[in-house]
Amino acid sequence: GESVGLHLPTLSVQEGDNSIINCAYSNSASDYFIWYKQESGKGPQFIIDIRSNMDKRQGQRVTVLLNKTVKHLSLQIAATQPGDSAVYFCAENMETSYDKVIFGPGTSLSVIP
Amino acid sequence: DVKVTQSSRYLVKRTGEKVFLECVQDMDHENMFWYRQDPGLGLRLIYFSYDVKMKEKGDIPEGYSVSREKKERFSLILESASTNQTSMYLCASSLGYAGNTIYFGEGSWLTVV
Repeated sequence: GESVGLHLPTLSVQEGDNSIINCAYSNSASDYFIWYKQESGKGPQFIIDIRSNMDKRQGQRVTVLLNKTVKHLSLQIAATQPGDSAVYFCAENMETSYDKVIFGPGTSLSVIP
Repeated sequence: DVKVTQSSRYLVKRTGEKVFLECVQDMDHENMFWYRQDPGLGLRLIYFSYDVKMKEKGDIPEGYSVSREKKERFSLILESASTNQTSMYLCASSLGYAGNTIYFGEGSWLTVV
């Protein structure tokens, strides 16, 4: 399933399916991007990052895709598991400005067993 | 693993009280941050610090102050707590140069009554 992560939508996927979470970032000068996972009642946890000189990066069961032309970032989770249920949000940053990190509002992922 | 520890997970304080939120990181990070997170508003930067005894205002510093006397410790102070400061407070840290991952603590839930 897919979602556009601008107004904290909810994405429901069946366990074992792949999930795609999208993020439209705002600043064309941003050159560093991070995906975070936040479980209920906990702090955000780093998942994966990507710099602007790349368009794809893979981790364990996760892939981040960056399309600078349309300022779009996506997070793909393979074989989604119940433990993946959380809010996912993207963050954008410029390498010249460590305090000017912009966080997206997030997408709530719900995994159906 | 990066460890950002917030000493208080849940606090209930009365209006007008002085509140201290403490944060310690163990990765020798130069930068430390305080954010608050509210439903529908996402993460908002209150203050950040890029070195001992240095501090910079974020987007919503009113009603807050900070202290950084040691590199590993960053405190958020609510001089006179008000009900509109009821929120989840997140401490974070990152390496000194820009374009680095921000790592978060588990959060402190503050209720002001």
